[in-house]
Amino acid sequence: GNSVTQMEGPVTLSEEAFLTINCTYTATGYPSLFWYVQYPGEGLQLLLKATKADDKGSNKGFEATYRKETTSFHLEKGSVQVSDSAVYFCAKGSQGNLIFGKGTKLSVKP
Amino acid sequence: NAGVMQNPRHLVRRRGQEARLRCSPMKGHSHVYWYRQLPEEGLKFMVYLQKENIIDESGMPKERFSAEFPKEGPSILRIQQVVRGDSAAYFCASSPPTGEWAEAFFGQGTRLTVV
Repeated sequence: GNSVTQMEGPVTLSEEAFLTINCTYTATGYPSLFWYVQYPGEGLQLLLKATKADDKGSNKGFEATYRKETTSFHLEKGSVQVSDSAVYFCAKGSQGNLIFGKGTKLSVKP
Repeated sequence: NAGVMQNPRHLVRRRGQEARLRCSPMKGHSHVYWYRQLPEEGLKFMVYLQKENIIDESGMPKERFSAEFPKEGPSILRIQQVVRGDSAAYFCASSPPTGEWAEAFFGQGTRLTVV
């Protein structure tokens, strides 16, 4: 199939904890990969992206590396903050026709 | 420079009525995309439009749904004879004339509730 699979949430962490949200994809070819973040009541915001194998996207302390051999694009952050509480979506595709994962809700407690 | 503007933010319709969702792209953007988010689900692509053209409607249901992006004015997603299963958040995104998706921005969405 043609899909994106994310680890199910919710994920609850304490402030300053290490975050990993797993994402794997199936595809033919080499799609662009994205992480989006959705804060409550808001639209999605692009967090980071990678367009080819071994690319590392990074933004606001978040990182993800395009791993062709494992078809993965796991999201990581070394030290989360309460303000990182949101729903995170992994996506693949191009030209706006993206396939999204179901989202992972992250709650960070003080 | 205002972002992508969607209205209304919340829309309640009775079964059988029509729903009209509006999306004004960011200034200078000429590509518009509509997505639907069902409860507890990720976003599903519906349609991709440029001014006066539908580029990709592979995600649109075959019946009751239509979209347009006229030369002047906002893009409109129209749902005729709504049913309860149409209840969802509908998001619009726009991107610049280059069509570079990575430069696209999403609106805050319209939450449609069918009662």
